[in-house]
Amino acid sequence: AQSVSQHNHHVILSEAASLELGCNYSYGGTVNLFWYVQYPGQHLQLLLKYFSGDPLVKGIKGFEAEFIKSKFSFNLRKPSVQWSDTAEYFCAVKTKGDYKLSFGAGTTVTVRA
Amino acid sequence: DAMVIQNPRYQVTQFGKPVTLSCSQTLNHNVMYWYQQKSSQAPKLLFHYYDKDFNNEADTPDNFQSRRPNTSFCFLDIRSPGLGDAAMYLCATSTRPTSGGTDTQYFGPGTRLTVL
Repeated sequence: AQSVSQHNHHVILSEAASLELGCNYSYGGTVNLFWYVQYPGQHLQLLLKYFSGDPLVKGIKGFEAEFIKSKFSFNLRKPSVQWSDTAEYFCAVKTKGDYKLSFGAGTTVTVRA
Repeated sequence: DAMVIQNPRYQVTQFGKPVTLSCSQTLNHNVMYWYQQKSSQAPKLLFHYYDKDFNNEADTPDNFQSRRPNTSFCFLDIRSPGLGDAAMYLCATSTRPTSGGTDTQYFGPGTRLTVL
């Protein structure tokens, strides 16, 4: 099974600041990569996903992530955050063909107005 | 909109009293999953169904069972809830994973279980 590490437990930013959340995984095989977001009181929603092709993927709400295979990383970025981006962010990894989706511990992002 | 629905959103039970959580989907996905998410932790897979084929994770306690009577519905039964079972329970669905696949798991809103 995959092991997924998210480097930051809690990030506090001001509006308009840039955001980067780190994610590393353990397995070097062929993987599918995901970022999910959980807004306060809401369910897990898919932000973006990577299956193959261009390693820079764009998701909803201005988020993007870059897959760097040599570093086993899939870092999430947003150039300018808004107060509404306050949420918990989960990186998740799955070996292609497997059922099990392994999650990182999550990063709580607090954006101050 | 196609979606994953969980009922109830909040469930309170007593220590040792059996409880059933429900999940339904309109996505027509053949795989359904149950996850347990404790406070400030990552979701942890308990088991999944591929159609009617049940697959238990090795570390899922026997206290947790599941039923899938048809494609649309899946139930999580906790036979004798303990205080440590208080958590958010998440249902998810996907198409069947394949080696070249692009399957994605879609989550319901969760049921928050409190054990008194």
